[in-house]
Amino acid sequence: ILNVEQSPQSLHVQEGDSTNFTCSFPSSNFYALHWYRWETAKSPEALFVMTLNGDEKKKGRISATLNTKEGYSYLYIKGSQPEDSATYLCAFNSGGSNYKLTFGKGTLLTVNP
Amino acid sequence: DTEVTQTPKHLVMGMTNKKSLKCEQHMGHRAMYWYKQKAKKPPELMFVYSYEKLSINESVPSRFSPECPNSSLLNLHLHALQPEDSALYLCASSQVGTSGRGEQFFGPGTRLTVL
Repeated sequence: ILNVEQSPQSLHVQEGDSTNFTCSFPSSNFYALHWYRWETAKSPEALFVMTLNGDEKKKGRISATLNTKEGYSYLYIKGSQPEDSATYLCAFNSGGSNYKLTFGKGTLLTVNP
Repeated sequence: DTEVTQTPKHLVMGMTNKKSLKCEQHMGHRAMYWYKQKAKKPPELMFVYSYEKLSINESVPSRFSPECPNSSLLNLHLHALQPEDSALYLCASSQVGTSGRGEQFFGPGTRLTVL
Protein backbone atom coordinates (compact mmCIF):
# COMPACT_ATOMS: atom_id res chain seq x y z
CA ILE A 1 0.00 0.00 0.00
CA LEU A 2 1.45 3.35 -1.05
CA ASN A 3 1.26 6.16 1.49
CA VAL A 4 0.93 9.70 0.23
CA GLU A 5 0.72 12.19 3.08
CA GLN A 6 -0.12 15.87 2.89
CA SER A 7 0.30 18.46 5.59
CA PRO A 8 -1.20 20.48 6.98
CA GLN A 9 -4.73 19.13 6.58
CA SER A 10 -6.10 22.68 6.50
CA LEU A 11 -4.72 26.16 6.53
CA HIS A 12 -6.20 29.64 6.99
CA VAL A 13 -4.19 32.62 5.77
CA GLN A 14 -4.83 36.30 5.19
CA GLU A 15 -4.93 37.80 1.72
CA GLY A 16 -1.40 38.73 0.69
CA ASP A 17 0.29 36.07 2.84
CA SER A 18 2.60 33.58 1.22
CA THR A 19 2.14 29.98 2.19
CA ASN A 20 3.39 26.49 1.50
CA PHE A 21 2.40 22.93 2.12
CA THR A 22 3.95 19.52 1.84
CA CYS A 23 3.36 16.24 0.08
CA SER A 24 5.41 13.20 1.11
CA PHE A 25 5.51 9.99 -0.85
CA PRO A 26 7.56 6.77 -1.10
CA SER A 27 11.09 7.56 -2.31
CA SER A 28 11.48 4.21 -4.06
CA ASN A 29 10.01 3.46 -7.49
CA PHE A 30 9.32 7.12 -8.18
CA TYR A 31 7.82 7.88 -11.57
CA ALA A 32 5.84 11.11 -11.29
CA LEU A 33 4.21 13.47 -8.80
CA HIS A 34 1.10 15.43 -9.71
CA TRP A 35 -0.38 18.51 -8.02
CA TYR A 36 -4.07 19.34 -8.46
CA ARG A 37 -6.17 22.27 -7.33
CA TRP A 38 -9.80 21.47 -6.49
CA GLU A 39 -12.38 24.14 -5.84
CA THR A 40 -15.69 23.12 -4.32
CA ALA A 41 -18.27 21.97 -6.89
CA LYS A 42 -15.70 22.17 -9.72
CA SER A 43 -13.38 19.70 -11.44
CA PRO A 44 -9.92 19.04 -10.01
CA GLU A 45 -7.51 21.06 -12.14
CA ALA A 46 -3.97 19.86 -12.86
CA LEU A 47 -1.29 22.32 -11.72
CA PHE A 48 1.96 20.45 -12.24
CA VAL A 49 3.33 17.06 -13.23
CA MET A 50 6.84 16.63 -11.86
CA THR A 51 9.17 13.86 -12.87
CA LEU A 52 12.80 14.78 -12.15
CA ASN A 53 14.57 15.17 -8.82
CA GLY A 54 15.19 18.86 -8.23
CA ASP A 55 12.38 19.91 -10.58
CA GLU A 56 10.94 23.33 -9.92
CA LYS A 57 7.79 24.38 -11.73
CA LYS A 58 5.91 27.65 -11.68
CA LYS A 59 2.49 28.83 -12.81
CA GLY A 60 1.79 32.45 -11.94
CA ARG A 61 2.02 32.84 -8.15
CA ILE A 62 2.10 29.07 -7.56
CA SER A 63 5.28 27.05 -7.68
CA ALA A 64 6.37 23.55 -6.68
CA THR A 65 9.60 21.74 -5.93
CA LEU A 66 10.42 18.07 -5.96
CA ASN A 67 12.86 15.93 -3.99
CA THR A 68 12.57 12.31 -5.09
CA LYS A 69 15.50 11.09 -2.99
CA GLU A 70 13.81 12.02 0.27
CA GLY A 71 10.27 11.70 -1.03
CA TYR A 72 8.70 15.12 -0.70
CA SER A 73 7.31 17.98 -2.74
CA TYR A 74 6.45 21.50 -1.62
CA LEU A 75 3.76 23.70 -3.12
CA TYR A 76 4.21 27.45 -2.61
CA ILE A 77 1.66 30.20 -3.12
CA LYS A 78 3.00 33.75 -3.14
CA GLY A 79 0.70 36.61 -2.15
CA SER A 80 -2.40 34.45 -1.56
CA GLN A 81 -5.70 35.72 -2.92
CA PRO A 82 -9.24 34.65 -1.90
CA GLU A 83 -9.61 32.90 -5.26
CA ASP A 84 -6.73 30.59 -4.26
CA SER A 85 -9.06 29.03 -1.68
CA ALA A 86 -9.33 25.37 -2.65
CA THR A 87 -8.14 21.91 -1.74
CA TYR A 88 -4.67 21.15 -3.08
CA LEU A 89 -4.12 17.47 -3.81
CA CYS A 90 -0.93 15.68 -4.65
CA ALA A 91 -0.86 12.31 -6.39
CA PHE A 92 1.99 9.84 -6.79
CA ASN A 93 2.66 7.43 -9.62
CA SER A 94 5.13 4.62 -9.02
CA GLY A 95 5.24 3.48 -12.62
CA GLY A 96 4.44 -0.04 -11.48
CA SER A 97 0.95 0.29 -12.82
CA ASN A 98 0.53 2.60 -15.77
CA TYR A 99 -1.89 5.45 -15.19
CA LYS A 100 -2.57 4.66 -11.52
CA LEU A 101 -2.36 7.72 -9.29
CA THR A 102 -2.40 7.42 -5.50
CA PHE A 103 -3.76 10.61 -4.00
CA GLY A 104 -3.11 12.29 -0.69
CA LYS A 105 -6.04 13.60 1.35
CA GLY A 106 -5.29 17.16 0.36
CA THR A 107 -4.63 20.48 2.07
CA LEU A 108 -7.67 22.75 2.35
CA LEU A 109 -6.54 26.34 1.95
CA THR A 110 -8.80 29.22 2.97
CA VAL A 111 -7.64 32.74 2.13
CA ASN A 112 -9.46 35.41 4.11
CA PRO A 113 -9.92 38.83 2.48
CA ASP B 1 -12.29 21.71 -25.81
CA THR B 2 -10.45 20.71 -22.63
CA GLU B 3 -13.52 19.74 -20.69
CA VAL B 4 -14.66 16.45 -19.24
CA THR B 5 -18.40 16.43 -18.65
CA GLN B 6 -20.32 14.16 -16.32
CA THR B 7 -24.03 13.52 -15.98
CA PRO B 8 -25.99 13.60 -13.84
CA LYS B 9 -24.53 16.03 -11.28
CA HIS B 10 -26.54 14.42 -8.50
CA LEU B 11 -28.21 11.02 -8.28
CA VAL B 12 -30.32 9.48 -5.55
CA MET B 13 -31.17 5.81 -5.94
CA GLY B 14 -32.58 2.94 -3.95
CA MET B 15 -30.74 -0.29 -3.37
CA THR B 16 -32.82 -2.13 -5.97
CA ASN B 17 -32.49 0.49 -8.71
CA LYS B 18 -30.37 0.32 -11.84
CA LYS B 19 -28.80 3.58 -12.96
CA SER B 20 -25.87 4.76 -15.05
CA LEU B 21 -23.31 7.53 -14.75
CA LYS B 22 -22.01 9.07 -17.94
CA CYS B 23 -18.75 10.77 -18.82
CA GLU B 24 -17.70 12.41 -22.08
CA GLN B 25 -14.54 14.06 -23.41
CA HIS B 26 -13.58 15.38 -26.85
CA MET B 27 -9.86 15.89 -26.33
CA GLY B 28 -8.90 12.76 -28.24
CA HIS B 29 -7.74 11.06 -25.05
CA ARG B 30 -7.66 7.28 -25.27
CA ALA B 31 -7.34 6.62 -21.52
CA MET B 32 -10.36 7.15 -19.30
CA TYR B 33 -10.79 6.60 -15.58
CA TRP B 34 -13.39 6.22 -12.84
CA TYR B 35 -12.53 7.34 -9.32
CA LYS B 36 -14.59 7.19 -6.13
CA GLN B 37 -14.20 9.79 -3.42
CA LYS B 38 -15.79 9.61 0.01
CA ALA B 39 -15.88 12.57 2.37
CA LYS B 40 -12.52 13.53 3.89
CA LYS B 41 -10.77 10.79 1.90
CA PRO B 42 -8.61 10.98 -1.22
CA PRO B 43 -10.00 9.95 -4.62
CA GLU B 44 -9.53 6.21 -5.15
CA LEU B 45 -9.07 4.67 -8.57
CA MET B 46 -11.77 2.19 -9.60
CA PHE B 47 -11.24 1.48 -13.32
CA VAL B 48 -8.99 2.50 -16.20
CA TYR B 49 -9.81 2.07 -19.88
CA SER B 50 -7.09 2.27 -22.49
CA TYR B 51 -8.10 2.29 -26.16
CA GLU B 52 -11.64 1.38 -25.09
CA LYS B 53 -10.43 -1.80 -23.34
CA LEU B 54 -10.52 -2.31 -19.59
CA SER B 55 -6.93 -1.98 -18.41
CA ILE B 56 -7.24 -1.76 -14.62
CA ASN B 57 -9.99 -2.95 -12.27
CA GLU B 58 -9.06 -2.18 -8.69
CA SER B 59 -11.02 -5.12 -7.30
CA VAL B 60 -14.26 -3.19 -7.55
CA PRO B 61 -17.46 -5.12 -6.62
CA SER B 62 -19.46 -6.35 -9.59
CA ARG B 63 -22.40 -4.11 -8.70
CA PHE B 64 -20.32 -1.46 -10.50
CA SER B 65 -20.02 -2.23 -14.20
CA PRO B 66 -17.97 0.07 -16.44
CA GLU B 67 -18.42 0.41 -20.16
CA CYS B 68 -16.49 2.35 -22.81
CA PRO B 69 -18.68 2.33 -25.95
CA ASN B 70 -16.32 4.59 -27.91
CA SER B 71 -13.25 6.74 -27.47
CA SER B 72 -15.22 9.73 -26.15
CA LEU B 73 -17.64 8.06 -23.76
CA LEU B 74 -17.33 6.23 -20.49
CA ASN B 75 -20.25 4.83 -18.53
CA LEU B 76 -20.56 3.36 -15.07
CA HIS B 77 -23.60 1.11 -14.64
CA LEU B 78 -24.88 0.73 -11.11
CA HIS B 79 -27.04 -2.08 -9.79
CA ALA B 80 -27.96 -3.26 -6.30
CA LEU B 81 -25.78 -0.67 -4.62
CA GLN B 82 -25.37 -0.35 -0.87
CA PRO B 83 -25.69 2.83 1.22
CA GLU B 84 -21.90 2.74 1.77
CA ASP B 85 -21.47 3.26 -1.99
CA SER B 86 -22.71 6.82 -1.55
CA ALA B 87 -19.83 9.02 -2.69
CA LEU B 88 -18.61 11.44 -5.34
CA TYR B 89 -17.76 9.58 -8.57
CA LEU B 90 -15.15 11.32 -10.69
CA CYS B 91 -14.31 10.63 -14.30
CA ALA B 92 -10.96 11.57 -15.83
CA SER B 93 -9.15 11.22 -19.13
CA SER B 94 -5.57 11.44 -20.35
CA GLN B 95 -3.36 10.71 -23.29
CA VAL B 96 -2.11 7.15 -23.62
CA GLY B 97 1.60 6.45 -23.65
CA THR B 98 2.58 9.00 -21.01
CA SER B 99 2.45 6.24 -18.38
CA GLY B 100 1.45 8.14 -15.28
CA ARG B 101 3.40 11.24 -16.23
CA GLY B 102 0.51 12.55 -18.22
CA GLU B 103 -1.90 15.10 -16.90
CA GLN B 104 -5.32 13.69 -16.09
CA PHE B 105 -8.29 15.92 -16.86
CA PHE B 106 -11.16 15.51 -14.43
CA GLY B 107 -14.90 16.05 -14.67
CA PRO B 108 -16.81 17.73 -11.84
CA GLY B 109 -18.17 14.43 -10.57
CA THR B 110 -21.55 12.86 -9.86
CA ARG B 111 -22.70 12.99 -6.24
CA LEU B 112 -24.40 9.64 -5.62
CA THR B 113 -26.64 8.90 -2.66
CA VAL B 114 -27.89 5.35 -2.12
CA LEU B 115 -30.89 5.05 0.17
